[in-house]
Amino acid sequence: QQQVKQSPQSLIVQKGGISIINCAYENTAFDYFPWYQQFPGKGPALLIAIRPDVSEKKEGRFTISFNKSAKQFSLHIMDSQPGDSATYFCAASRNINSGYALNFGKGTSLLVTP
Amino acid sequence: GAVVSQHPSRVICKSGTSVKIECRSLDFQATTMFWYRQFPKQSLMLMATSNEGSKATYEQGVEKDKFLINHASLTLSTLTVTSAHPEDSSFYICSAPGGQGSEQYFGPGTRLTVT
Repeated sequence: QQQVKQSPQSLIVQKGGISIINCAYENTAFDYFPWYQQFPGKGPALLIAIRPDVSEKKEGRFTISFNKSAKQFSLHIMDSQPGDSATYFCAASRNINSGYALNFGKGTSLLVTP
Repeated sequence: GAVVSQHPSRVICKSGTSVKIECRSLDFQATTMFWYRQFPKQSLMLMATSNEGSKATYEQGVEKDKFLINHASLTLSTLTVTSAHPEDSSFYICSAPGGQGSEQYFGPGTRLTVT
């Protein structure tokens, strides 16, 4: 079963706009929530990650918002650029330091138009 | 940051043959590595957890006799697809927790095509 639900499946944003991707999870044991960016034919690359002790984390144009009570987290891409066009995956894991595997969402295909 | 490599990047094989894919952590040791499979336009699905010095742990529905995993050292895990069939054609990706276990580093993936 899908332990992490991601939406939307696809997203089109104009250059300079804000891209927002949402994820929800059920397992309260999850304590690590990363976002990955994947280009066609490449492996996923870590963008940004958050742990449940904070509600927001920002790195450059990328921000994760985390709502522990709602068991939801989202990725915001500010000032979206055509080079951001890729597939984005949210994921969740428990006890990442113990080497537990990541549970991935189904992915969001983002297209940023010029 | 930490680097994980995979070899080969692409492989084409005939039905019934076996193919070995290597996953290496280049600048850190990994007692655990993970193998994922990704079909076109789909998410990554965990196949198995590779453990150095012990047997791999397979996810439900993954045939351990078909997908042989060997974690030969602290920097190398191999996935062998035995008696490959066209339905095994996929993108296989490995990952390893970083030195502090704080994040997972993914390899570049291996595109397997079985004809």
